[in-house]
Formats: sequence, structure tokens, C-alpha cells
Amino acid sequence: EVQLVESGGGLVQPGGSLRLSCAASGFTFSYYWINWVRQAPGKGLVWVSRISGDGSSTNYADSVKGRFTISRDNTKNTVYLQANSLRAEDTAVYYCARGMFRDGMDVWGQGTTVSVSS
Amino acid sequence: QSVLTQPPSVSAAPGQKVTISCSGSSSNIKNNYVSWYQHLPETAPKLLISENNKRPSGIPDRFSGSKSGTSATLGITGLQTGDEAVYYCATWDSSLSAGVFGGGTKLTVL
Repeated sequence: EVQLVESGGGLVQPGGSLRLSCAASGFTFSYYWINWVRQAPGKGLVWVSRISGDGSSTNYADSVKGRFTISRDNTKNTVYLQANSLRAEDTAVYYCARGMFRDGMDVWGQGTTVSVSS
Repeated sequence: QSVLTQPPSVSAAPGQKVTISCSGSSSNIKNNYVSWYQHLPETAPKLLISENNKRPSGIPDRFSGSKSGTSATLGITGLQTGDEAVYYCATWDSSLSAGVFGGGTKLTVL
């Protein structure tokens, strides 16, 4: 079965850090771009970051640039999102999703929740 | 404030048709493909339309997509109560070098 499973969310104080993971199975992982998309409580979907299949290309939303780092380990079929200097406005459900915007993000995980609060 | 503009809500009766608009600019919609997603509460978003108007396998032909200039449209015919969800358009923005979503449109099937 093709699937993505996120983990690593939790409660963290402002200024703290978390590393989110997105574990893939059921497809040739290295062929695909992987995105992170988040949804704050009561708000819409917001794209956060993406990484190419071989890890050589990355992009970030302005709101997280310089604070978040996306990476991947194709030997472990896993993408990571290192989130540093967390702010209250980073509180959200974080989804990972497979694909490029051209082809559409066709596989999504169930999400992991990040809460930033003192 | 989303880069792509969608109406906050639309509604229609079961069996009717509804369209959801998505307005952008030359740096996003005009020069890049648009995709559409359905999001039900407590579930993962679901891809409905890719490459402006292509339906992935398993998506019924009641759902359609189109694009003209800086705008895109999602159409849903034969509305069912199960279609009640929030719908999002999305595309790449070449100026921002970032992905962008619309603010979402809540569909109510009366």
C-alpha cells in the first residue's frame, strides 16, 4: 500500500525545536518530490516546503525560511522537517504529501500536530 | 492573506451543480498548472484535479477543472451530501519560488 506516515509532533515552548518525520512505503521513494503542508487551527492549507527526489533541490515558504530545514534519507525512505525557533503561529497540523504541483500531490499522510505554547 | 483568491463559501441543493473559482496572477495560475483538493475534517486532503483539468484514477467525472488566464475553476455536478467539504486550489508561484494554496471554499449541500 502506498502511504506516508508523519511523526514527531508535540508541544514545544516558543523558541524551541522539533524534528518532524515523514516515512514512506509502497512506492519508489527516490523518484518523488515530497512537500510539507500545514493547517493552523481554523485556517486553510498552507504550503511549507518541498524537496526533490534526490535531495538536491529544496524550496521554502517565506514564513519559515531560515528557521526550517527539509532533508531526506532515501535509504530510510524518510523526509525530515527540522523546525527551529518555533513561534506560536507555527502551531498547526503538519502534513507531508507526495508530488509536484504540476502533477498534483496525490498521496498525503494523516498529519502530525505541532503546538507551540508556553 | 492567500496569494490565490477563492470564495469563502458556496452552497447548492443535492443534484445541482456548483462552481468554485480561484483567482491568481501571471506568476502563478497563468503560467503554471493548477490542482484542486478536497479536505474533509479530520482526514488527509485528497487530490481531485491535476494539471488544470485531469482527474486522477478513482475521481468521478462529476468533478471537472478548467483554467483561463489568471483564473481557474472547479466544477461539481450532481451534488451529494458527501461532497460537503472544503475545497482548495493550488499551484506553483514562479516569482515566489513557492507553492501557494487558495484560502479554501466551504461547500454546503443544502
